[in-house]
Amino acid sequence: DQQVKQNSPSLSVQEGRISILNCDYTNSMFDYFLWYKKYPAEGPTFLISISSIKDKNEDGRFTVFLNKSAKHLSLHIVPSQPGDSAVYFCAASGGAQKLVFGQGTRLTINP
Amino acid sequence: DAGVIQSPRHEVTEMGQEVTLRCKPISGHNSLFWYRQTMMRGLELLIYFNNNVPIDDSGMPEDRFSAKMPNASFSTLKIQPSEPRDSAVYFCASSLSWQGALEQYFGPGTRLTVT
Repeated sequence: DQQVKQNSPSLSVQEGRISILNCDYTNSMFDYFLWYKKYPAEGPTFLISISSIKDKNEDGRFTVFLNKSAKHLSLHIVPSQPGDSAVYFCAASGGAQKLVFGQGTRLTINP
Repeated sequence: DAGVIQSPRHEVTEMGQEVTLRCKPISGHNSLFWYRQTMMRGLELLIYFNNNVPIDDSGMPEDRFSAKMPNASFSTLKIQPSEPRDSAVYFCASSLSWQGALEQYFGPGTRLTVT
């Protein structure tokens, strides 16, 4: 039973354009959401997070949107850069410290 | 600042052997997590500690797996005996737990191959 789903295994975007990565969750008890970026042979790196009391959080080129009624969150990267090419994981927490991760989306930024 | 340190980075062992993975969390962090990443199951939590005490080990696959945290700066994950299906990348992560901030910081991982 996958509680956090990233339905797109891969995404290809032109440099300079917007990248939109999506994540759906099923557990209504989740109240904190995070995005991680992972390069090959490295551990995941924390990118940005959002609490369920907000619907948007922005940090530089990265913005996370949360739609609680749809149980959906998305990560927008604008403008996309070649260094953004990585695997992106969304994760969710339901009040405890445990994080449940999605399967990841491989983002490729084309020059 | 040093991040989470894991050793070894790669481990190749034969089925039946004991494997010990090591982790040094970020100084000052009071929570430590062990994850396993496989193609089939993705990134899954095995066990986590708060202030050196195991809080939730429900993700530990079976009794062959054990984890300890003897002090705030060191943890081990042991597999005995190892099996080929244990082949995966094992990550350690740490965090400073306080309400409202759940960011975990990951080490580089240990790639385990059991032949």
